Amino acid sequence: DQQVKQNSPSLSVQEGRISILNCDYTNSMFDYFLWYKKYPAEGPTFLISISSIKDKNEDGRFTVFLNKSAKHLSLHIVPSQPGDSAVYFCAASTGNQFYFGTGTSLTVIP
Amino acid sequence: NAGVTQTPKFQVLKTGQSMTLQCAQDMNHNSMYWYRQDPGMGLRLIYYSASEGTTDKGEVPNGYNVSRLNKREFSLRLESAAPSQTSVYFCASTLTVGSNYGYTFGSGTRLTVV
Repeated sequence: DQQVKQNSPSLSVQEGRISILNCDYTNSMFDYFLWYKKYPAEGPTFLISISSIKDKNEDGRFTVFLNKSAKHLSLHIVPSQPGDSAVYFCAASTGNQFYFGTGTSLTVIP
Repeated sequence: NAGVTQTPKFQVLKTGQSMTLQCAQDMNHNSMYWYRQDPGMGLRLIYYSASEGTTDKGEVPNGYNVSRLNKREFSLRLESAAPSQTSVYFCASTLTVGSNYGYTFGSGTRLTVV
């Protein structure tokens, strides 16, 4: 059973606008959450993370929001750039391992 | 360049053949992982090694074996390949199990079993 879900397989956004990628999880024991970015024919690369004791973490154009009561996290990219076009995976951890979502393919249109 | 190196990058096997996927990291990480990525399934953990000398099963270990050869190297073996093992395989490493720094991934091995 998928413990981490990304219900939108794809998302298209105009350059300069905001991209919002969503992720839901079922296990209330998850205490750390990450977002990874993946380009074709490459491995995923770490993007941004958030601890369960926080509800927001910001790094440049990327902000991750965590809503523990809703078991939901989101990644905001502002402003979106064509180089952001990639597959984005969210991941959640209880400590021993990370569980990954199925990914959302983001296309930023110039 | 520091990182995780996987070999081979591509492989085609016939059903029943065996092969070993190699992974090496040069970041002095203690923990290493093997994932498979399938369409609509995300990344699923096959096996992991929390430290040199230990290995543990992940979500989908059936049909695979692993060896933590030393601190740097973690191999994944398919003893008798099946078409269901067609996938992209990623090796990853991190400083320690439970580390919140995330993983460093290799670039993947695309395996096709016919």
